[in-house]
Formats: sequence, C-alpha cells, structure tokens
Amino acid sequence: DGGITQSPKYLFRKEGQNVTLSCEQNLNHDAMYWYRQDPGQGLRLIYYSQIVNDFQKGDIAEGYSVSREKKESFPLTVTSAQKNPTAFYLCASSKPGTGSYEQYFGPGTRLTVT
Amino acid sequence: SQQGEEDPQALSIQEGENATMNCSYKTSINNLQWYRQNSGRGLVHLILIRSNEREKHSGRLRVTLDTSKKSSSLLITASRAADTASYFCATVRYSGGYNKLIFGAGTRLAVHP
Repeated sequence: DGGITQSPKYLFRKEGQNVTLSCEQNLNHDAMYWYRQDPGQGLRLIYYSQIVNDFQKGDIAEGYSVSREKKESFPLTVTSAQKNPTAFYLCASSKPGTGSYEQYFGPGTRLTVT
Repeated sequence: SQQGEEDPQALSIQEGENATMNCSYKTSINNLQWYRQNSGRGLVHLILIRSNEREKHSGRLRVTLDTSKKSSSLLITASRAADTASYFCATVRYSGGYNKLIFGAGTRLAVHP
C-alpha cells in the first residue's frame, strides 16, 4: 500500500516547546515538501527537499527546521521561535523529472500550541 | 505570495447542479493542476492540464485553460453531496533553482442534498 503517512494526527504542545512532526513516504519519490495551512486559506510552503541531504527554505521557513537523512523521511520541527505555530501541517512528495510536479499529500497533522 | 487565485471563495449549490470554479494566475505556466481537500484531510490531485491544452475531461470533471487570459476553470457536473470540499488550483513557479507548486486560497464548495 503506497502513500504518505503523517503522525500524529493531532498534537498539543505548550508554548516554548519544540515539537517534531513525522512524515514518511513509500512512493520512492525524491522530492518532499512541508506546507502550513491556516483556517480558510491555501497552502504556504515551509521547506522542500529535492534529494536526500538537501533541503531549501520555502516562503515561511522562519521558526521551522527540517532534516532529510533518508529518502523516505522528512521530519519537520516547529521550534519555540515560531511565533504562531498553531496550524494544520501537510507533507507532500513528488517525482521530479516527470514535468508535471504533481504532488501526493499525507493526511496532515493538526498542531495546537497553548 | 500566491500564484493562483480561485473565485468564488465559497459556493453553495444543490445536488444535481453544476459547480464552476475559476482560477487566475500571474505568470506563464507549463501546466495547471486542480486539487481537492476534504475537511481536515490532505489534498488529492484531480486533474492536470498542460499549457498547450485548452480543455480536459475526467469523469464528471471538466477543466479549461485560457493562457491568453491566464485563467482556468473547473466544472463539476451533476454534483453530489460527496463533492463537498475545498478545491485548489496550483501552478509551478521556478524559484531558487527549483520548481515549486504554488497553491491558491481555494474555493469551498458545499453541495446540499
């Protein structure tokens, strides 16, 4: 069963704590992405990675960090420096080289920081 | 900065009616994609239309592309309550040495039984 998994589905944290969101894919895709979605809005790109051990900042990278040690995994850490971390976080992957950049999404993690 | 903008922001129709959503974009594109998002879920790819295509069909979906007006439309025919979701258009933007998919803010569609 191929796809992208994100865990946990819901996450609650106290302000000032770092938290790591998991994203795993078994689609053999090289590229992976993290997006943030706020209520009633579109997706904003946080970080993306085209290949293992390489990643680039997206449009709203401040307060976030990522790693890409394995092709299958692209965890996102929301640090205490992120001023407004409560949001819905989506991970996606794609297979570059096809020319389409079609992305496959995980089910998302809803993070609430109080 | 969003590349695509959907219109309307929200649409409410009765089952059996057609739903039309529009998307405008700013720069030239290779392709335009439409995605669907059920409430609280991830996005699902619906259809891709390339810049040299004008219309494409997939089941009850019909997508048109007018590159001269930098706009696309998604038509869902004979809508069902299960079509209730948000619909996003997305285009590719080259930035920082990489191609990135840029999403609009979406159209929230509600189909009432």
